[in-house]
Amino acid sequence: DIVMTQSPDSLAMSLGERATIKCKSSQSVLYSSNNKNYLAWYQQKPGQPPKLLIYWASIRESGVPDRFSGSGSGTDFTLTISSLQAEDVALYYCQQYYSLWTFGQGTKVEIK
Amino acid sequence: EVQLVESGGGLVQPGGSLRLACEASGFIFSSYWMHWVRQTPGKGLVWVSRIDLDGGSTSYADSVKGRFTISRDNTKNTLYLQMNSLRAEDTAVYYCARDRGNYDRYFNFWGQGTLVTVSS
Repeated sequence: DIVMTQSPDSLAMSLGERATIKCKSSQSVLYSSNNKNYLAWYQQKPGQPPKLLIYWASIRESGVPDRFSGSGSGTDFTLTISSLQAEDVALYYCQQYYSLWTFGQGTKVEIK
Repeated sequence: EVQLVESGGGLVQPGGSLRLACEASGFIFSSYWMHWVRQTPGKGLVWVSRIDLDGGSTSYADSVKGRFTISRDNTKNTLYLQMNSLRAEDTAVYYCARDRGNYDRYFNFWGQGTLVTVSS
């Protein structure tokens, strides 16, 4: 099984600051035949199901604000919120879909 | 509008059984793989099972293999999860989720979830 490890477990930033979440997979999720990273990011607010933010590691889902961006390849990935807003307070999860499906443990983002 | 509505959760004793359902609307149900994902406060999101378009192929997480069975009825636009030999560690909110289709196997639609509590 591919294990996904996120860091940090939680972070508190001031409004307008940049927030960065890391995700590391135990093996590469880059499929060489199509050069795609099978990595997605989700946002989950209290009492709600997860919401897709990013897929193929860096493609923003329709309707997601452009302050959210994804980067990385192979085993190391990053979700960046360029200017943290109050409505971004949530749990964030990475997920690999290269081999079955596994999620990271989640990162809680709060306002300082 | 795509909607996924889960039902069937509740309190069940260890060793008992429960069947969850997920009623889909707003899309051609038979054209998409479907999944069950569960969430516990301590362990976050865990993928449980998936089923292909006609139910001919299924996959399970090791933790539920041999105890849970995923199925679908495309005439009723409904996904099911039959859960047997339930354990305390199966206590979770269970979500059904749809992937984007083709080879895009990330989850772009989720239901609101149904709570399963396994306790005596």
